[in-house]
Amino acid sequence: AQSVSQHNHHVILSEAASLELGCNYSYGGTVNLFWYVQYPGQHLQLLLKYFSGDPLVKGIKGFEAEFIKSKFSFNLRKPSVQWSDTAEYFCALLRNSGNTPLVFGKGTRLSVIA
Amino acid sequence: EAGVTQSPTHLIKTRGQQATLRCSPISGHTSVYWYQQALGLGLQFLLWYDEGEERNRGNFPPRFSGRQFPNYSSELNVNALELEDSALYLCASSRKGLGNQPQHFGDGTRLSIL
Repeated sequence: AQSVSQHNHHVILSEAASLELGCNYSYGGTVNLFWYVQYPGQHLQLLLKYFSGDPLVKGIKGFEAEFIKSKFSFNLRKPSVQWSDTAEYFCALLRNSGNTPLVFGKGTRLSVIA
Repeated sequence: EAGVTQSPTHLIKTRGQQATLRCSPISGHTSVYWYQQALGLGLQFLLWYDEGEERNRGNFPPRFSGRQFPNYSSELNVNALELEDSALYLCASSRKGLGNQPQHFGDGTRLSIL
């Protein structure tokens, strides 16, 4: 069965610091990959998605992620974080075949301090 | 467009009781997904309905069940409630099919078992 691992449970950064959140998955077939964000008190929102093509995908609010197939990774990056980026971030995988649901990682909580 | 709506916002029950949670998808979306977000466990897939039929089911006991109505809204029923059922239950919807159809999430129903 496929799985998603997010190794950082809680990341604390100062404003303007660069961000990289790790996401690794286990599945040998073709996958679609997503990053969702959950701001405090709000619902999950899609940050960005990868289906095919350019492995570097750009999302909303200056976030980007790079799909590295050889490493089974889809890390999320942002060059300069803001206090408003404080949220929980979830990586998710969708198998590109069959009636299968999204598989989520356990999430990484990002706290940005002034 | 109106987002995914869930009701109630918060539900308090005692052990052994039954709970019913409701979800209205975004207009035009025919697929509805239910997830359980328990503390420290991330989002775990519960059920997926599309056009009134159950398409897939996560690794949960049969006392978790649901249905989808002709208007594509959905109910999640949890029977014989146990303390560990306390969690945030999220509903998501998407257009028909998987793959390149991102899921849009509601705010969730927080179920508390006393």
